[in-house]
Amino acid sequence: EPEVTQTPSHQVTQMGQEVILRCVPISNHLYFYWYRQILGQKVEFLVSFYNNEISEKSEIFDDQFSVERPDGSNFTLKIRSTKLEDSAMYFCASKAALTYNEQFFGPGTRLTVL
Amino acid sequence: AQRVTQPEKLLSVFKGAPVELKCNYSYSGSPELFWYVQYSRQRLQLLLRHISRESIKGFTADLNKGETSFHLKKPFAQEEDSAMYYCALGETGANNLFFGTGTRLTVIP
Repeated sequence: EPEVTQTPSHQVTQMGQEVILRCVPISNHLYFYWYRQILGQKVEFLVSFYNNEISEKSEIFDDQFSVERPDGSNFTLKIRSTKLEDSAMYFCASKAALTYNEQFFGPGTRLTVL
Repeated sequence: AQRVTQPEKLLSVFKGAPVELKCNYSYSGSPELFWYVQYSRQRLQLLLRHISRESIKGFTADLNKGETSFHLKKPFAQEEDSAMYYCALGETGANNLFFGTGTRLTVIP
């Protein structure tokens, strides 16, 4: 069964550094998402992406964040200058169709900002 | 505003006992509601969606619009049900999911 994959599984970085988190959505899916989960808190929506552009974003998704689909398979989340409070699990998700909101999640990348 | 509320962070039941994980939502339109499960060291997986009214792994959930609830139930808990359970809401026309804070279910053998 096809799955969403994410790399790396764990990323440690220094405050102020740029990080890129990578995701490979399920191949015939059209909608892509990033969520994050700070330790002990709920899963929070960051951004959705369709047809090569952002379709929705939350308040969390400020100018430090960007997303890209650089080729036909990868979907990346970039944090330009990481802050301590960016430490979290970042989940990528994808779904096939607009009319049905079933999203398939990747295993997550744990980002630790020191 | 809190769109999805899961009042219990932790829930422990004995094997074979009934289990109910509570979820209440806040949304004036027609919601899409989901239960996701996360087993230890695994990804979030869709367990149930209200629209299909199915039973998965013995779990069911009924949407009660009057009470704005979507509680997850299973008549006889099994040890392998121990996991984190997240209730999630999709709003009409929106493209993202709003998650509750999750309930960690522990089934005691």
